[in-house]
Amino acid sequence: ETVMTQSPATLSVSPGERVTLSCRASQSVSSNFAWYQQKPGQAPRLLIYSASTRATGIPARFSGSGSGTEFTLTISSLQSEDFAVYYCQQYHNWPQTFGQGTKLEI
Amino acid sequence: QVQLVQSGAEVKKPGSSVKVSCRASGGTFSNYVISWLRQAPGQGLEWMGSIIPIFNTANYAQKFQGRVTITADESTSTAYMELTSLRSEDTAMYFCASNSNYFDYWGQGTLVTVSS
Repeated sequence: ETVMTQSPATLSVSPGERVTLSCRASQSVSSNFAWYQQKPGQAPRLLIYSASTRATGIPARFSGSGSGTEFTLTISSLQSEDFAVYYCQQYHNWPQTFGQGTKLEI
Repeated sequence: QVQLVQSGAEVKKPGSSVKVSCRASGGTFSNYVISWLRQAPGQGLEWMGSIIPIFNTANYAQKFQGRVTITADESTSTAYMELTSLRSEDTAMYFCASNSNYFDYWGQGTLVTVSS
C-alpha cells in the first residue's frame, strides 16, 4: 500500500505565523490527495481535496499544492483556532491511506 | 448538507462483536457512498471499508477482510459496521463518513472499548 509520511510530527508556532506542512507519498498519487484538520474530541474536517481545491467553507488562508509524491499545506497567517492535528490522505491507489499527522502547537 | 449521526459508545469483551450505526440525513441516501474509518487512541486514521447503498455492495480493506461487514438500510437511511472477534487492539474511535475517495462529511464518532 502507499505509505504517507508527514513532517514534522510536531510544529511549535505562534499566531500570525505562516506555516507549511509537508506530506510525501511512497509512490505517485497524481493529484488525488487531501488534507484534513482534527481538533481534540472531534471528527476530522476536510480542508483540501484534489491537492489544491479548498473544501466548502474553508478560509482562504489554507492552501494546498503539489502532485505526484510531494505535497504541502500552507496556512498563511495562523489563527488560534488553527491549532490542531493535520492529516494528509491519498486516494489514488487502493487502499486509500493517511499520514500519521502533524500537530500544530503553541 | 449531509449529516451523519452515529450510535453511542460501546464496551465489549474480547472475542465478541460490535455493530455501529450511522444515520444519514440532508440528502439522498442512495446517492451516497458511506465509508467507515477508525482511529486508535493517539493514532492516525485507518480506512476500513465502504458501501454504495443503492447497490448494497461493499469493499473492505484487506486488514479487516473476514472480520468486518458493512451494510446499509435504504428505508432508514442508515449504514452499519459490524466488527467480529474483537481484541484489545480494536479499541478505537470509529467514524462513518460520506464519499469513498476524500471524506467530506463525518459522523461524530463512536468509541468502542474492548476490555475483559
